[in-house]
Amino acid sequence: GEDVEQSLFLSVREGDSSVINCTYTDSSSTYLYWYKQEPGAGLQLLTYIFSNMDMKQDQRLTVLLNKKDKHLSLRIADTQTGDSAIYFCAESPYGGSQGNLIFGKGTKLSVKP
Amino acid sequence: DGGITQSPKYLFRKEGQNVTLSCEQNLNHDAMYWYRQDPGQGLRLIYYSQIVNDFQKGDIAEGYSVSREKKESFPLTVTSAQKNPTAFYLCASTAGSSYEQYFGPGTRLTVT
Repeated sequence: GEDVEQSLFLSVREGDSSVINCTYTDSSSTYLYWYKQEPGAGLQLLTYIFSNMDMKQDQRLTVLLNKKDKHLSLRIADTQTGDSAIYFCAESPYGGSQGNLIFGKGTKLSVKP
Repeated sequence: DGGITQSPKYLFRKEGQNVTLSCEQNLNHDAMYWYRQDPGQGLRLIYYSQIVNDFQKGDIAEGYSVSREKKESFPLTVTSAQKNPTAFYLCASTAGSSYEQYFGPGTRLTVT
């Protein structure tokens, strides 16, 4: 079945870059997503990448996709204390035909001043 | 403002009672989803609906029921058959032509 794996914790200093990694198993996944969740809140869609792309950049966020290794990463440049949150990687199984997403358990990013 | 609303934000119930969680969207999205989140866990799919009057079970549908009588509404009922109902429940929606799935603010249900 589908599975998405992430490391659970990451700690960085303010101003450094953060890299959050994710591996997935469904080779038919059409889109891969990164969501951010602040305490007690819903999930905020940060960015997503189509499976035929290698990289996508959006302001401070860079997504890298290695489809051969089924590895996805999210790089946050110049990390700020406001970036402290849980970051979820998600894949769209079945080629996205059903619309539901499979989520990893989330990586808790702590940014120290 | 367009978006997804879930109410209430916090809900408390006694064991053995059914409870219904509200999810409304004014984004004109076709598909709607219910996920459950437990501490330290990712989201798990309970039910989803791609069109009005139709819905499918997700990975953990036992003890839950839904309806989709209107495009903008997708209420979730947590029944007394659900063994561990205490959790954070998130509703999401997607436009038919899009792969962007948006989430509501969530409802935290506590059953004692």
